[in-house]
Amino acid sequence: RKEVEQDPGPFNVPEGATVAFNCTYSNSASQSFFWYRQDCRKEPKLLMSVYSSGNEDGRFTAQLNRASQYISLLIRDSKLSDSATYLCVVPSGGYQKVTFGTGTKLQVIP
Amino acid sequence: DGGITQSPKYLFRKEGQNVTLSCEQNLNHDAMYWYRQDPGQGLRLIYYSQIVNDFQKGDIAEGYSVSREKKESFPLTVTSAQKNPTAFYLCASGVTGLADNEQFFGPGTRLTVL
Repeated sequence: RKEVEQDPGPFNVPEGATVAFNCTYSNSASQSFFWYRQDCRKEPKLLMSVYSSGNEDGRFTAQLNRASQYISLLIRDSKLSDSATYLCVVPSGGYQKVTFGTGTKLQVIP
Repeated sequence: DGGITQSPKYLFRKEGQNVTLSCEQNLNHDAMYWYRQDPGQGLRLIYYSQIVNDFQKGDIAEGYSVSREKKESFPLTVTSAQKNPTAFYLCASGVTGLADNEQFFGPGTRLTVL
């Protein structure tokens, strides 16, 4: 299994829909996970941290499933402005080192 | 405003030339990183530094060099030995000592080799 894997998409969803992405990881010792958002030709920006108990921020919910080694990102009531690529990030061992997934592209359609 | 700046935004280089990309941060972060991003690929780590005057190779360090003489600055030199230097280069910084490893990115430099 690759260190971090994501479905590249694209996920094309209508406005107002709920959409979920998964990200699988192979390092069972990983403790902290993140979701970043990257707009076209821009830098990644931190969207959410993912801890053991999960995390919710408005329309966004991140969950961790340690048994199956994946994290998920749920977006409710999708907005046009949610269109972006979503990168999952997993600590890869070593001090402050992480591995980025290749990203899942989301396109919200009017 | 605190943040990370990278310059230039776009850079064109002839084959065989070395070029240095600038990265500056005023977030008082100890750790700094350089990544490159190619179309359809995730970010790949080139070099990272946890403290001034110390840095380590990442996964794709060949053809690159760095220095960390000041806490705020972590310049990256792309040498002529780098076979495929055309890419989007991203600098990031983070607070060491935290368990959650969040990183904050600069706006990036797009390097094109002509």
